[in-house]
Amino acid sequence: DVKVTQSSRYLVKRTGEKVFLECVQDMDHENMFWYRQDPGLGLRLIYFSYDVKMKEKGDIPEGYSVSREKKERFSLILESASTNQTSMYLCASSRQGRQPQHFGDGTRLSIL
Amino acid sequence: QQQVKQSPQSLIVQKGGISIINCAYENTAFDYFPWYQQFPGKGPALLIAIRPDVSEKKEGRFTISFNKSAKQFSLHIMDSQPGDSATYFCAALYSSASKIIFGSGTRLSIRP
Repeated sequence: DVKVTQSSRYLVKRTGEKVFLECVQDMDHENMFWYRQDPGLGLRLIYFSYDVKMKEKGDIPEGYSVSREKKERFSLILESASTNQTSMYLCASSRQGRQPQHFGDGTRLSIL
Repeated sequence: QQQVKQSPQSLIVQKGGISIINCAYENTAFDYFPWYQQFPGKGPALLIAIRPDVSEKKEGRFTISFNKSAKQFSLHIMDSQPGDSATYFCAALYSSASKIIFGSGTRLSIRP
């Protein structure tokens, strides 16, 4: 079974802090993704990566950056956290081509 | 062109009834259509998927119907059970791209 592990289930940070969300997958998948999920807005893609050190902007990249130094690990960085970044963050991974994405259980991030 | 429109936003069905969720797309380049099921506190999990050369796919009580000419596809849950209560997302992707386009989600509640 594919396992996508997000480092924290719940996280509380303060406005202006730099926040790191970590994601690790164990299936040697090429693609990794970060989404945020908000009530009524579904899943919105923040960034994705199709290879080590490669990244592409998704639909809502503003205020975020990412890092993929190793194939199995994909980090989401909030450069200067703001209250409107309070959300559920989901990481996913997949193989190339017509392949499903496999999700972690999410990190619920609160910015105070 | 990149959107996947999903309806209804929420659905209440009696136990034993049929739950139907509909999705529509515009981009004819999409060639893979997965459905995801998400329980509270968990990430979305792949439920069932279909390719456009097939009009129907059934797995247990779950069936995807696909109408290529109308650019619509739907999920039918037969004999709906309280354990099916979850949020369901339809999605679409094309194999030359890495990212999936998600619908906005349907919150399904099965009344005992």
